[in-house]
Amino acid sequence: KNQVEQSPQSLIILEGKNCTLQCNYTVSPFSNLRWYKQDTGRGPVSLTIMTFSENTKSNGRYTATLDADTKQSSLHITASQLSDSASYICVVSPLVSSNTGKLIFGQGTTLQVKP
Amino acid sequence: DTAVSQTPKYLVTQMGNDKSIKCEQNLGHDTMYWYKQDSKKFLKIMFSYNNKELIINETVPNRFSPKSPDKAHLNLHINSLELGDSAVYFCASSFPGRNYEQYFGPGTRLTVT
Repeated sequence: KNQVEQSPQSLIILEGKNCTLQCNYTVSPFSNLRWYKQDTGRGPVSLTIMTFSENTKSNGRYTATLDADTKQSSLHITASQLSDSASYICVVSPLVSSNTGKLIFGQGTTLQVKP
Repeated sequence: DTAVSQTPKYLVTQMGNDKSIKCEQNLGHDTMYWYKQDSKKFLKIMFSYNNKELIINETVPNRFSPKSPDKAHLNLHINSLELGDSAVYFCASSFPGRNYEQYFGPGTRLTVT
């Protein structure tokens, strides 16, 4: 079982609609939780980074939440645009990795926004 | 442009060959990484260097050998390529420490036939 599980695996929404992606993790203790966006054929780009003590972090139309008690995070996308079509990856930095920068990646949720 | 760059973007080769992928960053970062993204889209860390010193070496076949000539470059050499090595390889860089953002390169799609 992976230490970072994401759902749904894929999602199709209409342009302008909102959506929420889920992430459950078992990595504990952890230092921070990140959400990355990966466009097809490109490298991942960071959207948000939350430390274990933060509950929410926004980046434009993207809002991430974190519940360290239930080990859950979500990424909410508001007023979706065609350019939001991408894979969204939840990433956890284990505290035990200390200063090495090692990250544990989820499998990603593939989002398709249709006109 | 300030960025992480990789060459080549595509690499098609036959089993048994030896190949290298190059990575350069001009962001002034001290730490560089190599990741492998398999067909199931999972990204897994392979190696990490901090200021030319190896700090992460995951369970990777010793056919894979990273080399960091300076802190702005991290190359990946692969000997005796196998079909299972086919994947997308990403280079990334960051400042040292667990809370710094990692910046990824565009990836190198390696296909072994």
